[in-house]
Amino acid sequence: GAVVSQHPSRVICKSGTSVKIECRSLDFQATTMFWYRQFPKKSLMLMATSNEGSKATYEQGVEKDKFLINHASLTLSTLTVTSAHPEDSSFYICSAQHHTTNYGYTFGSGTRLTVV
Amino acid sequence: AQKVTQAQTEISVVEKEDVTLDCVYETRDTTYYLFWYKQPPSGELVFLIRRNSFDEQNEISGRYSWNFQKSTSSFNFTITASQVVDSAVYFCALSKAAGNKLTFGGGTRVLVKP
Repeated sequence: GAVVSQHPSRVICKSGTSVKIECRSLDFQATTMFWYRQFPKKSLMLMATSNEGSKATYEQGVEKDKFLINHASLTLSTLTVTSAHPEDSSFYICSAQHHTTNYGYTFGSGTRLTVV
Repeated sequence: AQKVTQAQTEISVVEKEDVTLDCVYETRDTTYYLFWYKQPPSGELVFLIRRNSFDEQNEISGRYSWNFQKSTSSFNFTITASQVVDSAVYFCALSKAAGNKLTFGGGTRVLVKP
C-alpha cells in the first residue's frame, strides 16, 4: 500500500515550452504533498508544500510563477514548469504525506526533465 | 532552522568491507525524526529507517545498522560486509514532525567495487 505514481519519468522539451509533472497517490488520500528538486550529484531541495484545496507554500527562492503547483484533489498534485529554460533541467521528485507507511512519506519515482 | 550534514561526499570500498556513513544534524526542536534513504542510479528514494528523538536505541536490520547519539547529534549508518548492490547515494534527513517536510543532507555516494 501507499504507492505514489509520478509521471512522466523522463521528459525532454524545448526552451520556452511548459511541462506538467503529475504525482498521484494510488491507494491513499494525500492531503499534503511535497515537491523536491535535485541537481546532478546534489541533494534534494524542497521546492514547495502542496496542500489539497489551497495554495502551495513555496520555499524561499523558488519562483511560484515559474513552478506552478496544483493540488486539486486528494490524490493528485501537479507541478508545471512554465516557459522552461535549460537551467530548469533537473530531477524532480514528489512525496506524499501518509500517516501509516514509511512513517509519513512515500516518494514518487521522480521525473528527469531536460530542456533543450 | 534545521540542518543535516553528511561530511563524506563519496566513499569507495571493496566488496565485503564495512562502511560507515556519518550524519550530523542541527535542530532546535525537542521532538524530531531522523531518516536514512538510499537512492540507486535509477533515482527513486528507498526508505531505510526512521528514528524519533526519544528513541536512542541502536537498530540492526540485516547488514544495516544505525547508531543514534543524541549527545553528539549524530545518526550514523553502517553497512556491514558491503555488496556491489549497495552502491548508491545515501541521504540522511530530518523532520520536525511525522509527515512534515524533510531536510536532507548532501548525500554520500557509496561505491562498492567487486
